[in-house]
Amino acid sequence: AQSVSQHNHHVILSEAASLELGCNYSYGGTVNLFWYVQYPGQHLQLLLKYFSGDPLVKGIKGFEAEFIKSKFSFNLRKPSVQWSDTAEYFCAVISNFGNEKLTFGTGTRLTIIP
Amino acid sequence: EAQVTQNPRYLITVTGKKLTVTCSQNMNHEYMSWYRQDPGLGLRQIYYSMNVEVTDKGDVPEGYKVSRKEKRNFPLILESPSPNQTSLYFCASSLRTSGTYNEQFFGPGTRLTVL
Repeated sequence: AQSVSQHNHHVILSEAASLELGCNYSYGGTVNLFWYVQYPGQHLQLLLKYFSGDPLVKGIKGFEAEFIKSKFSFNLRKPSVQWSDTAEYFCAVISNFGNEKLTFGTGTRLTIIP
Repeated sequence: EAQVTQNPRYLITVTGKKLTVTCSQNMNHEYMSWYRQDPGLGLRQIYYSMNVEVTDKGDVPEGYKVSRKEKRNFPLILESPSPNQTSLYFCASSLRTSGTYNEQFFGPGTRLTVL
């Protein structure tokens, strides 16, 4: 069964610091990968997605992620964070075969200190 | 406006009292799903539906039922709620589940408390 690991449970950064959130998945076949963001009190919104092609994916609000197939990783990055990036971030994977369900990681809470 | 709607947004109930949380999407999506979100556990899938009259269990289906009689609606039914079903529930939909259109769109969430 597919699974997603997010090893950083809570990350605290100062404004303008660089961000990298880790995401590893376990699934041997073709996958689609996502990062969702949940701002306080709101529903999930898609930040970016990887389906195929260029492994470096750019999303909204200056976020990007790199798919490294050999490491089964899809880490999220942002060169300079803002206070408004305070939120919870979820990595998710969907396989193109089997039951095709979306599997989420446990989430990383990001707190940005002004 | 393209959206997924859920009702109610907040619900406090007592153990054993049947309830239904509705979910509706206006994007003509085939795939719909229910998740529950609990602290430290992320989102876990309860049930999903690939199309009308096609439903299947997710990771945590115990204590829940769903139906998909129409493409736009996917209600979540708790026949006999228990306190361990206190959670934040999200409904989601996507155009299809393979290829390039399987981004899932989420509803605003339903916060359920079972006393």
